[in-house]
Formats: sequence, C-alpha cells, structure tokens
Amino acid sequence: EAGVAQSPRYKIIEKRQSVAFWCNPISGHATLYWYQQILGQGPKLLIQFQNNGVVDDSQLPKDRFSAERLKGVDSTLKIQPAKLEDSAVYLCASSLGSGQGGMKTQYFGPGTRLLVL
Amino acid sequence: TQLLEQSPQFLSIQEGENLTVYCNSSSVFSSLQWYRQEPGEGPVLLVTVVTGGEVKKLKRLTFQFGDARKDSSLHITAAQPGDTGLYLCAGGRPDNYQLIWGAGTKLIIKP
Repeated sequence: EAGVAQSPRYKIIEKRQSVAFWCNPISGHATLYWYQQILGQGPKLLIQFQNNGVVDDSQLPKDRFSAERLKGVDSTLKIQPAKLEDSAVYLCASSLGSGQGGMKTQYFGPGTRLLVL
Repeated sequence: TQLLEQSPQFLSIQEGENLTVYCNSSSVFSSLQWYRQEPGEGPVLLVTVVTGGEVKKLKRLTFQFGDARKDSSLHITAAQPGDTGLYLCAGGRPDNYQLIWGAGTKLIIKP
C-alpha cells in the first residue's frame, strides 16, 4: 500500500513570496490533515478535511494560508505571502475516518521543509 | 487550553541502557498515542492506549497509560541506536476528534 505522498520535499523562498505544497493521501482515506511543525515543537493542526469539506481550520492563519481538497482526494496548501516565521516542516496526514477522541490512526507523509529567508 | 508536557526534552544515553520518558497533562484524554519521528520523515504511530492503567508492550518498548488517563510513560529496555528519534505523544480529546500534541522527547542512543 502506497503511503502519503508530499511534494516538494524542500523549498526555499524569500519573505513575501508565495509557495504551494501538494499532498496525495493513502487511497480510500477520507480524512486529510495539514500540520505545521516548527523545529523543537510538536505538530500543530492547520486544517482538517473530511472528503472535500473542511472540518476544522480554527488554527489556520487565513489571511495568508489557504488549502483545498477539491475532489476529496489530493490537497494543496498555499502560503501567500510568506513570513519568516512560516519556516517549518509542513506535514500531511490521512486517516480512514476522523474517529472520536483521536482513535483513528493517522498516517503521515515525509513533510515539506520550508525555509523563508 | 489542554497541554501535553513531555519530559525530558532531550536524552542522550549509551546503547544497552534503560530509559523512561513521560507525557503529562492536567486534562483527561480518551486515548493517548505515541509516535516516533526520524529525521526527514513524518511521525509513525507506535501504540494507542485507551484504558486507564493500560500497559502495552512492543518488543523492548513498554507503554503505560495513567489510571486517571492524564499521563503516560514510555520505557525502553536495553536501548539500541535504532531507537534514536523524536518521540511524540498525542492525546485524544474526549469531546471531539482532535489530537493534542506534546513537543516531543529527542532521544539519541550512542553505540
């Protein structure tokens, strides 16, 4: 079974530029998550999709971040314009369902490392 | 705000030693998951514990969920260099689907 795919693996941009990340979840997984992981910290949920609908985007900085999952399969996360503090690893994860109380196993991709100069 | 505190933040020991890392909160969780994250990779789930007092073993790793479901520990016996990584705990909130993540314990096992 193929895992969660993410691209690019690395990205270096200057502040105020735009960047987009792509994620292809495990086939059949209805739930897709985007996390931001800053060095030395645990993952922070940015947005969660159930199929192509948004379940939770309460921690997404909507003035600069956007995400979509148009056909309920792959997803893109965009930052426009980027700030220095956006330097982090952006992780995509998927699960069969959202579950209650975190019971569903989340499978993570390798992440995209973003450096904003 | 629910927080999960992990300790120690960093641990470097010799191969063959035993170690315990902790995950503590003042809040009750419906479940507690432990992940290991290696450099350049995403976290990988090791175990999920759901019952207060539950103990699960995965080869040389022993996971325990506190009786009150507010804390958990991970004990590694005879650590090996392959155990090196960032160990993250994540608690499932009883009222919804969200996971609350700790900041992790960075573990280095020296040959």
